[in-house]
Amino acid sequence: SSELTQDPAVSVALGQTVRITCQGDSLRSYYASWYQQKPGQAPVLVIYGKNNRPSGIPDRFSGSSSGNTASLTITGAQAEDEADYYCNSRDSSGNHYVVFGGGTKLTVL
Amino acid sequence: EVQLVESGGGLVQPGGSLRLSCAASGFTFSSYEMNWVRQAPGKGLEWVSYISSSGSTIYYADSVKGRFTISRDNAKNSLYLQMNSLRAEDTAVYYCAKDHHSSGLFDYWGQGTLVTVSS
Repeated sequence: SSELTQDPAVSVALGQTVRITCQGDSLRSYYASWYQQKPGQAPVLVIYGKNNRPSGIPDRFSGSSSGNTASLTITGAQAEDEADYYCNSRDSSGNHYVVFGGGTKLTVL
Repeated sequence: EVQLVESGGGLVQPGGSLRLSCAASGFTFSSYEMNWVRQAPGKGLEWVSYISSSGSTIYYADSVKGRFTISRDNAKNSLYLQMNSLRAEDTAVYYCAKDHHSSGLFDYWGQGTLVTVSS
């Protein structure tokens, strides 16, 4: 299958740690990338590769992977982290160039 | 500073055509692969099309294959998406996104342009 599966919604208390997961067969062959999207804005890359952050992304964002599951962890979530988060990866099935997860809406309580 | 600026969106009738453009600056455009990604209202991200740095390799999502054509002009630092036979389900914000060496990692995105297909 060329799909990536994410939980539709996750919530976290302010200052606590939250993990957002992404599952799919392609993740056995390729690393996931993670994107943050706030309402009315374009997506922004926050994590890529094994666990890399682009310049300007706070170090409270981290990534990990095991088997067919990739995870984005926010340690000490802030109010400004409330957003939609999407994973993507190359498609190992060969059907598509890349596949995106359906997205996870993160609410910071 | 990397900048990607899309244009060309608007309202079009079903069956109509539209050409989107993406003007790139702040990086060596001719060295990087590019993509179009769309987002229907209230929905998630959907990859649409990929073009290699030279334009020699192109991929499309099944949902647009045969109707959309991606192209680029490296001399003008521009990416294009010709959209024909448009359907209501093509209504979305269309983003151009810079690829990180065909890794499927989209490191920069434009602000998007809205395409509305409606009679």
